Amino acid sequence: QLQLQESGPGLVKSSETLSLTCTVSGGSLSSSDYYWAWIRQSPGKGLEWIGSIYYGGSTYYNPSLKSRVTIYGDTSKNQFSLKLSSVTAADTAVYYCGRQANSGSHHFDQWGQGTLVTVAS
Amino acid sequence: SFELTQPPSVSVSPGQTASIPCSGNKLGDKYACWYQQKPGQSPVLVIYQDNKRPSGIPERFSGSNSGNTATLTISGTQAMDEADYYCQAWDSRTGVFGGGTKLTVL
Repeated sequence: QLQLQESGPGLVKSSETLSLTCTVSGGSLSSSDYYWAWIRQSPGKGLEWIGSIYYGGSTYYNPSLKSRVTIYGDTSKNQFSLKLSSVTAADTAVYYCGRQANSGSHHFDQWGQGTLVTVAS
Repeated sequence: SFELTQPPSVSVSPGQTASIPCSGNKLGDKYACWYQQKPGQSPVLVIYQDNKRPSGIPERFSGSNSGNTATLTISGTQAMDEADYYCQAWDSRTGVFGGGTKLTVL
């Protein structure tokens, strides 16, 4: 059974770079059937897609975050990672990693448990 | 940019049918999907590709998508269905979520 687990610092200082890693078990990052994605949810707010990576390395980012986001994968460790630069309090959120279908509705069919990242001034 | 709009809240009596709309420009030309999120939990996919149910999702959940509106329908709503529901679509290689609808079962 596929499992995704986010890891990384729970507290980041304003203007610094947020870094998170998602470890995938029970499935392969190299599968051509899926993208691998980051989604976040600010406290009490809705879901926001951050970006996705495909097994060949292609990346797709939310236009509103594109200038600050990098997503990259490490197939040898079956992990993919998120870097978000120049963070502010508005980036405080629960960050989820997920598996995304490569067709149809490009839905997110598996989610990690999420990790809360707080940006402190 | 492509946007999806949902009502902030919908109320339904137990055993009745709940309908949650999601609107977007020519949404019917794309595929829509839906997630259920309960407090403190990760979202769960309940409908994908407009009207398909993942394994383990009860038959009372169904979906449709036409014109500018996708709709999640819950037939015979149960207390356990009280949650936030989000629609989502993929447009020009960009993921877009609706703002979410809180379903209250009362």
